[in-house]
Amino acid sequence: DQQVKQNSPSLSVQEGRISILNCDYTNSMFDYFLWYKKYPAEGPTFLISISSIKDKNEDGRFTVFLNKSAKHLSLHIVPSQPGDSAVYFCAAGGSNYKLTFGKGTLLTVNP
Amino acid sequence: SQTIHQWPATLVQPVGSPLSLECTVEGTSNPNLYWYRQAAGRGLQLLFYSVGIGQISSEVPQNLSASRPQDRQFILSSKKLLLSDSGFYLCAWSVRTGMYFGPGTRLTVT
Repeated sequence: DQQVKQNSPSLSVQEGRISILNCDYTNSMFDYFLWYKKYPAEGPTFLISISSIKDKNEDGRFTVFLNKSAKHLSLHIVPSQPGDSAVYFCAAGGSNYKLTFGKGTLLTVNP
Repeated sequence: SQTIHQWPATLVQPVGSPLSLECTVEGTSNPNLYWYRQAAGRGLQLLFYSVGIGQISSEVPQNLSASRPQDRQFILSSKKLLLSDSGFYLCAWSVRTGMYFGPGTRLTVT
């Protein structure tokens, strides 16, 4: 049972435009959510997180939106840059210090 | 600041051989530690986690094992590797609302 789903395996965006990465979850016990960026042959790098008590968190070009009723979150990158090209993982956690990850979305930002 | 180390970076091992991957964390005490695996075309799968020395929880049945002999040391082992053990292995440590990963080990079982 996949509790965290990233239904788009890939996304292609023009440089300067907005990238929107989506994630859905099924477990209502999750109370915080994170986005990671991963380059090939490297460990994931933490990007941004959001607690379930918020519906938006912003950090520079990155904004995460959380819709608890829909069990949906999204990561917006504005403006997108070629260096943003990577695999993005959505993750969700609860009280047990474990994170459940989605399968990732490969973002390609074209110059 | 906290730092997490993993070694080796890459490893090629024949089927049936043993495995030992090591992870150490600096700059924090009593961290929660994790081993994840990313298989080709798949997401990050939690293999083991530990909330303290000698405390290991296994998430999936497999021929791998983990040990935590010291507070900031986490070891992933196998007595006999399978082809299906190939993948990218990641060690991580966590605080309440964040998890931070090491650089990973690329394991190829031939």
